Amino acid sequence: GAGVSQSPSNKVTEKGKDVELRCDPISGHTALYWYRQRLGQGLEFLIYFQGNSAPDKSGLPSDRFSAERTGESVSTLTIQRTQQEDSAVYLCASSFAGTRNINEQFFGPGTRLTVL
Amino acid sequence: QKEVEQDPGPLSVPEGAIVSLNCTYSNSAFQYFMWYRQYSRKGPELLMYTYSSGNKEDGRFTAQVDKSSKYISLFIRDSQPSDSATYLCAMSRSGGSNYKLTFGKGTLLTVNP
Repeated sequence: GAGVSQSPSNKVTEKGKDVELRCDPISGHTALYWYRQRLGQGLEFLIYFQGNSAPDKSGLPSDRFSAERTGESVSTLTIQRTQQEDSAVYLCASSFAGTRNINEQFFGPGTRLTVL
Repeated sequence: QKEVEQDPGPLSVPEGAIVSLNCTYSNSAFQYFMWYRQYSRKGPELLMYTYSSGNKEDGRFTAQVDKSSKYISLFIRDSQPSDSATYLCAMSRSGGSNYKLTFGKGTLLTVNP
């Protein structure tokens, strides 16, 4: 079946503009995650959605960042008033959730965001 | 001090070599230890995971965890050019927050034919 897909694959924007990044998880996966990967850095957890539970937003770096998820499907990550330090690859992952010891996270290819 | 430290390399080895990749960590609450492989311009994919201390083997790959030293390793035997990628260690707590992974920076590995 299809994996996690993200769009756009690349986005170049000007400082101060808003951007919206989209993630389509694997069908049947109830959990969805957003990560940020800056150049030369590891992945940073941003936000976690699980079913109808309140999302874990503890990794969002500022109030310029927000994310939504429609049911158990598509998610969008919005960055308002973009800054140059927001330039990074934004990765989305999805997984089953529940009582498993580890819920393998399947990653999409990412959106490469460049803020000029 | 970062929670997870990983030497970014780069690491270059000849085909057939044994490769050793390592991470150290500071948070003793970590119970799950994972290795992800990331090819250029792709998302990471899970290679192996272990729970608590011990070894785990899967084909040419062996993962080791030493919780007493807060040190984890991934060994690749008979390395192949197709193993050329960035290898990321990741860790999480057990229980309700086991979904929240903390990653190392990744080590860029090149296996030369």
